[in-house]
This record gives sequence, C-alpha cells and structure tokens, in this order.
Amino acid sequence: QSALTQPASVSGSPGQSITISCTGTSSDVGGYNYVSWYQQHPDKVPKLMISDVSKRPSGVSNRFSGSKSGNTASLTISGLQAEDEADYYCASFTRSSTLVFGGGTKVTVL
Amino acid sequence: EVQLLESGGGLVQPGGSLRLSCAASGFTFSSYAMSWVRQAPGKGLEWVSTVKPGSGSTHYADSVKGRFTLSRDNSKNMLYLQMDSLRAEDTAVYYCAKAEGSIDPFLYWGQGTLVTVSS
Repeated sequence: QSALTQPASVSGSPGQSITISCTGTSSDVGGYNYVSWYQQHPDKVPKLMISDVSKRPSGVSNRFSGSKSGNTASLTISGLQAEDEADYYCASFTRSSTLVFGGGTKVTVL
Repeated sequence: EVQLLESGGGLVQPGGSLRLSCAASGFTFSSYAMSWVRQAPGKGLEWVSTVKPGSGSTHYADSVKGRFTLSRDNSKNMLYLQMDSLRAEDTAVYYCAKAEGSIDPFLYWGQGTLVTVSS
C-alpha cells in the first residue's frame, strides 16, 4: 500500500491555471475510475472536490476539474484564487479493496 | 443534515488500547459504508479502515491490520474503532467519514478526535 505520488508543492498567480498530478500504478489509479481529490485548509476538515476521476459534488466550483491518463490522475484549478491556497490530496481505490491517499500537495497562490 | 461526531480520543501509553466511537445522524446509517481516516500531526491523510453495510465486512490498512478492529451497530447508528497495541506512530487525528461508494469518496467527515500515544 504505497502512497500515491504527488508533487510536494505547486504555485501560481491569481487567475492562472495549475495542475496537480497523482501517480499510482495499474493496481490503483490505472485500474479503476475511482480517484478522488480533497482540499484541506489549515486546521480544517478535508473537503471532497472531485470523485470518480472527474465528478464534481454539488457546490464545488467548476474551476476545479479532474482527469486521468494511464496511471496518473490530475486535478486542474483554473482561474486560481486566493481561497484555493490549501493542501490537496488524491485518493484511489486499490485492487486489494483498500484506499490509498497521495502524500499531498501544498498549493500556494503567489 | 448529515452529522458525524467522534469521541474517545485521548492520551494512551505505548502498548495500550483505546476505543473510538462515531455517532452518525441525518442519513440511513445501515445503508452506507463507513470509514476512518487519520492524519498525524503535520502529515498527510491516511486511510485506516472501512466497514461495509449489510455484511459488515471490514478492510484495513496494512499499518493497523491485526491491531485495530472496526465494527458498527446499525441499531444505534454507531461506528467503533477498537485500537490495541498502540504505537507512537498511531498518534493522529482520527476522522470518521461516510463513504458514498464501496469504500469512498467521503463527502461527509466528522470533526476528528486526537489520539496521542506517548509515555
């Protein structure tokens, strides 16, 4: 159950678009369309932003979008805003019927 | 309104035991898989365990397998995590979460309860 690989940090200026990658294997990300993304502000509870690779829950801004290619999933934030500054985690269902998270990516709005 | 309220956290010595509880309301508890996710201080999220609805089958992370036991009481809308043989590395905030699918995603989370394993 190795953690999915995410970049430690990503930054961008307001209005720009950024993309966070999440790399796994064919036993998790590549094998199932069950990748989720969570946003967590400091000392807050995680918030679901994307499920099933690209589905946005009700109330989540359409500036957030998800995709997947092979063993790598991606979260794109367009029109970056100050409130988007947070930690982001991907998660994937695995062949062992478990869940594995990525190590997290800190997004900084310059 | 979905609410998840964890309790039972605290300070415990290495090798000790603790039982976490999660009181659920606002949804048909028996119909959903329920999970625990933890977060060590300053670290990332780690899935711990999930219990399925119906059969009540359980799944565990390798890091806790054989030491933690997850159970549910559908008559009381309660989720329990029995943690034995605790280690320093189990120190974390433990979140109870409602799974929208077989194991995730987690649309609803509790506020978390802190478990500290230290002598």
